[in-house]
Amino acid sequence: QTVVTQEPSVTVSPGGTVTLTCGYSTRAVTSGSWPTWVQQKPGQAPRTLIYSTSKKHSWTPARFSGSLLGGKAALTLSGVQPEDEAEYYCLLYSGGAGVFGGGTSLTVL
Amino acid sequence: QVQMQESGPGLVKPSQTLSLTCSVSGESISSAGRYWNWIRQPAGKGLEWIGRVYTNGATNYNPSLESRVTISIDTSKNQFSLKLSSVTAADTAVYYCAKDQWLVLWGQGTLVTVSS
Repeated sequence: QTVVTQEPSVTVSPGGTVTLTCGYSTRAVTSGSWPTWVQQKPGQAPRTLIYSTSKKHSWTPARFSGSLLGGKAALTLSGVQPEDEAEYYCLLYSGGAGVFGGGTSLTVL
Repeated sequence: QVQMQESGPGLVKPSQTLSLTCSVSGESISSAGRYWNWIRQPAGKGLEWIGRVYTNGATNYNPSLESRVTISIDTSKNQFSLKLSSVTAADTAVYYCAKDQWLVLWGQGTLVTVSS
């Protein structure tokens, strides 16, 4: 069973920069895992911000960016806004099946 | 504007089969090669990828659910469906459908409770 790991919680100050990571327990994440980042705010349906490692949807704020970093997928928020407080999930594909990480709770404080 | 809407019974008895449908409007489900996904989320917990169906009917499933899951596509009705057999309380969750490998669009989700 493939396990995808994320930081359980991260705190950042408004205007700051923060990087969330997403990785496999046994191997490096590559672009072939098609990393996808999903944001979910309380009581709302999720929405996807980043796909295929670093591509953005039309609704993705410019302050969000995706990359590969040290064998993991990474989501960087530059100039964090209070409205970025949310749960962030990454999704990786392995052998045609998707696997979500456990999510990172981002607190803006 | 493309929209997706989940529908189905909100209450299912243990050991029975959960059946949900995702209706797609604003786009033909068969117009271009796409994946159509099912994802679920138990209350207070994270997202779980259940599986997906391609435009041609090919499927991929979460290995932990594969023995109980069937996802199918009905191009004549512009919808795709999820069936999960032998359900238990652990299958109680909000079930979402989502478009494409990149989950570019999500439905609002539907709560399914497994209880007698």
